[in-house]
Amino acid sequence: AQSVAQPEDQVNVAEGNPLTVKCTYSVSGNPYLFWYVQYPNRGLQFLLKYITGDNLVKGSYGFEAEFNKSQTSFHLKKPSALVSDSALYFCAVRDKNTGRRALTFGSGTRLQVQP
Amino acid sequence: EPEVTQTPSHQVTQMGQEVILRCVPISNHLYFYWYRQILGQKVEFLVSFYNNEISEKSEIFDDQFSVERPDGSNFTLKIRSTKLEDSAMYFCASSPGEGGGSGANVLTFGAGSRLTVL
Repeated sequence: AQSVAQPEDQVNVAEGNPLTVKCTYSVSGNPYLFWYVQYPNRGLQFLLKYITGDNLVKGSYGFEAEFNKSQTSFHLKKPSALVSDSALYFCAVRDKNTGRRALTFGSGTRLQVQP
Repeated sequence: EPEVTQTPSHQVTQMGQEVILRCVPISNHLYFYWYRQILGQKVEFLVSFYNNEISEKSEIFDDQFSVERPDGSNFTLKIRSTKLEDSAMYFCASSPGEGGGSGANVLTFGAGSRLTVL
């Protein structure tokens, strides 16, 4: 079975400060990992993915994430937060070694960036 | 940029009624999905569809649900007899095949259809 944990329901950060949104995963094989963002009354927008290769992946809007196999983590980071980054963030996983293509999502973390 | 389109954006129905939610996936994508989200919370997988058949489904996707790709472009989710607990936002998504380049393995989501069951 594949699963994702996002331990924080909400993260608050001041504009201009670095932000981290945490994600840990569980798969029986090797993971494909993703971050999506959801703005109010909108669908999920793809931010970035880890498939293979470099553990640090860069995505849209200045976000990046680091794959850590030993800690089974894939935390989302940004060096300097913007008020417009305030949204709901979802981490998702897919097991590379199964025939499944559907993603399993975490419960989401609400990011609030204060001006 | 290609997008997944969903209709209706909002549907209100009475308990026990049938509902059909429609989706037009990205034209060259091969895999199609339905997810649901209750009250802005967790995004739950319902079903995936490939090569004109269901490839995977969750325990939520019981006999009251069905999916169809009737004409090669639309992808529909039918709920036969709606219950109060079916009230949710339903998202359609699609993804390319293995040769999808930088978009491989990435699910592109529609804006969602909000279903309210009274």
